[in-house]
Amino acid sequence: AQSVTQLDSHVSVSEGTPVLLRCNYSSSYSPSLFWYVQHPNKGLQLLLKYTSAATLVKGINGFEAEFKKSETSFHLTKPSAHMSDAAEYFCVVSDTGGYNKLIFGAGTRLAVHP
Amino acid sequence: EAGVTQFPSHSVIEKGQTVTLRCDPISGHDNLYWYRRVMGKEIKFLLHFVKESKQDESGMPNNRFLAERTGGTYSTLKVQPAELEDSGVYFCASSQVRAPLYFGPGTRLTVL
Repeated sequence: AQSVTQLDSHVSVSEGTPVLLRCNYSSSYSPSLFWYVQHPNKGLQLLLKYTSAATLVKGINGFEAEFKKSETSFHLTKPSAHMSDAAEYFCVVSDTGGYNKLIFGAGTRLAVHP
Repeated sequence: EAGVTQFPSHSVIEKGQTVTLRCDPISGHDNLYWYRRVMGKEIKFLLHFVKESKQDESGMPNNRFLAERTGGTYSTLKVQPAELEDSGVYFCASSQVRAPLYFGPGTRLTVL
């Protein structure tokens, strides 16, 4: 069965410093992996997706993630945090390899301080 | 383009009452999904419609939950009777075929 583990429930950074949100996955086949973000009172928004093409995936708002099969990781990074990045981030794996049944991690709440 | 909308945004009901949540997907999206996040837990899949047909309802917790999608447009999720453990945030999402999901803002359900 597929699963994801987000290693940090809360991450706090200063504005302008790098962001690293960690995610490990478990999958019995080549996974489809995603990062979603939820800002307060908003819907979940797709940041980026990995579907077995390039291992370094670029997303919106300057975020990117690297698929590392040997480490079963899909960490999310951003070189310089902005105040507007404060939100909850979810690492997600597809149960079926497509989009139809998503399995979510527990979420990482990112705080950005001035 | 309007996004996925959900109504109500919040609902507070007593245990044993009935609540109906509504989701309006993005126009033209044949796929519609329901997910929920119970307090302190992960967001979990409930079910998937393709047009008006239930494609996968393996995540529905029990027969107190009934989902419908009339005419392949909007969808409702009814909880009857509601129990305390049903409290949480219910998300709806829609998508085109083999495309990423667009999520609504969710309905926060509190059962007292």
